[in-house]
Amino acid sequence: QKEVEQDPGPLSVPEGAIVSLNCTYSNSAFQYFMWYRQYSRKGPELLMYTYSSGNKEDGRFTAQVDKSSKYISLFIRDSQPSDSATYLCAMSEGNTGKLIFGQGTTLQVKP
Amino acid sequence: SAVISQKPSRDICQRGTSLTIQCQVDSQVTMMFWYRQQPGQSLTLIATANQGSEATYESGFVIDKFPISRPNLTFSTLTVSNMSPEDSSIYLCSGLLNRAQETQYFGPGTRLLVL
Repeated sequence: QKEVEQDPGPLSVPEGAIVSLNCTYSNSAFQYFMWYRQYSRKGPELLMYTYSSGNKEDGRFTAQVDKSSKYISLFIRDSQPSDSATYLCAMSEGNTGKLIFGQGTTLQVKP
Repeated sequence: SAVISQKPSRDICQRGTSLTIQCQVDSQVTMMFWYRQQPGQSLTLIATANQGSEATYESGFVIDKFPISRPNLTFSTLTVSNMSPEDSSIYLCSGLLNRAQETQYFGPGTRLLVL
């Protein structure tokens, strides 16, 4: 069993839709949770990070963490074609700086 | 945030040769890492680049194959030695700016094809 599980998709939605991306994890020592966006042929770009259970909002993006269920989500409101990318969840125990990544979900937002 | 650059951006190499990838950060970072991303796959940590000492390698990665240097707080190199086609991948470096936030920033990656 992988430490971090993420549905690879692909996920295709119409422009304006609400997108929900999810990851589950098995290591209860993870304390820091991040979402990265990776466009084709580019490096991962940090979108959101959080270290506590609950919601964190930044513009059209909301990150949600449920430590009791070992489940994190990223919601994208009013999705745009420019949101088409691969979204990677990543987690860290916080004492080594090492990130464990999910497989990544490929999202396509159609105009 | 931090801006990270890598050189070369891509290369095509012959098997048995070695390639050194450079990573430069525009600000001092507390930690630097090297990851590998195989086609269509997620990122796998190769090693933590330690300033002035030997890198810390993850399971499955060894110093003889992937020697790493980090002479200062803003620069690191990864060498892929004695390459085979299985080493064809994207190699990414990252920098950890703030230990309190555990946020890492990534370079654009080096695309390596080994023939």
